[in-house]
Amino acid sequence: GEDVEQSLFLSVREGDSSVINCTYTDSSSTYLYWYKQEPGAGLQLLTYIFSNMDMKQDQRLTVLLNKKDKHLSLRIADTQTGDSAIYFCAETFSGGYNKLIFGAGTRLAVHP
Amino acid sequence: ETGVTQTPRHLVMGMTNKKSLKCEQHLGHNAMYWYKQSAKKPLELMFVYSLEERVENNSVPSRFSPECPNSSHLFLHLHTLQPEDSALYLCASSQEPSLSGRDNEQFFGPGTRLTVL
Repeated sequence: GEDVEQSLFLSVREGDSSVINCTYTDSSSTYLYWYKQEPGAGLQLLTYIFSNMDMKQDQRLTVLLNKKDKHLSLRIADTQTGDSAIYFCAETFSGGYNKLIFGAGTRLAVHP
Repeated sequence: ETGVTQTPRHLVMGMTNKKSLKCEQHLGHNAMYWYKQSAKKPLELMFVYSLEERVENNSVPSRFSPECPNSSHLFLHLHTLQPEDSALYLCASSQEPSLSGRDNEQFFGPGTRLTVL
C-alpha cells in the first residue's frame, strides 16, 4: 500500500539545525520529495532525491535516504525564522502521470 | 499572471448551494490535479487530468465534479456539500510524461479555503 508518515510538529531555536523525518511504505518509489508550504500559500518544491541515492545536499538542505528502513529525512542547517512553515514529504512513481503520495506535513516553528 | 492561480481564494457556502472553484496554469503543462488539504491529515489526491482526460478519481463523492475544458484550466464544481468538506482545495499542474525528478515537479496554486456551513 501507499502511506507516508511524518511527525506533526517540530520546534527549534533560530540558528540550530532542524531535522524532519518521514517514513514511507512503498519500496518501488522512484523519487522522494520535500515540499514547503508557507502560511496562505500552496506547496513549493524544496528538493527531491532519486531512490538510488543515499544523500543529496543543496545549500542549507541535506536529504538523507535509508532505503532499507524506508526512512527519509530533511536537515535544515542554521534554521531561520523564514523557515517556519509546514514541510511535506511525498513519494511518487514513474510512468503515466505523477501521482504524489503526501504525508500529513510537519509544522516547523522557529523561535528566537 | 504566472504559475498556477486559483479563484476564489476564500469561499463560504451553505449545504444547498452550488459553486465552482477555478484553477488556471500559465506554465504550458499538460496535467492538472485537485487535492484536498484538511487539518492534520495528509493531502488527499482527488482528481488527475492528463492531456485533458481524467486519469484518476480517488473515490471522491459525486458532490464534487471536475471539469477540464483545456490544458490550462481546471474546475471543481461543488453541490450539496457537507460541513466535513470544509478544507483547503489545492490545484497543481505538471508536465507529463517525464523521467527526471525535477521535471516531475508539481506546481501548486495558493488554494481555495472552503467553508461549508
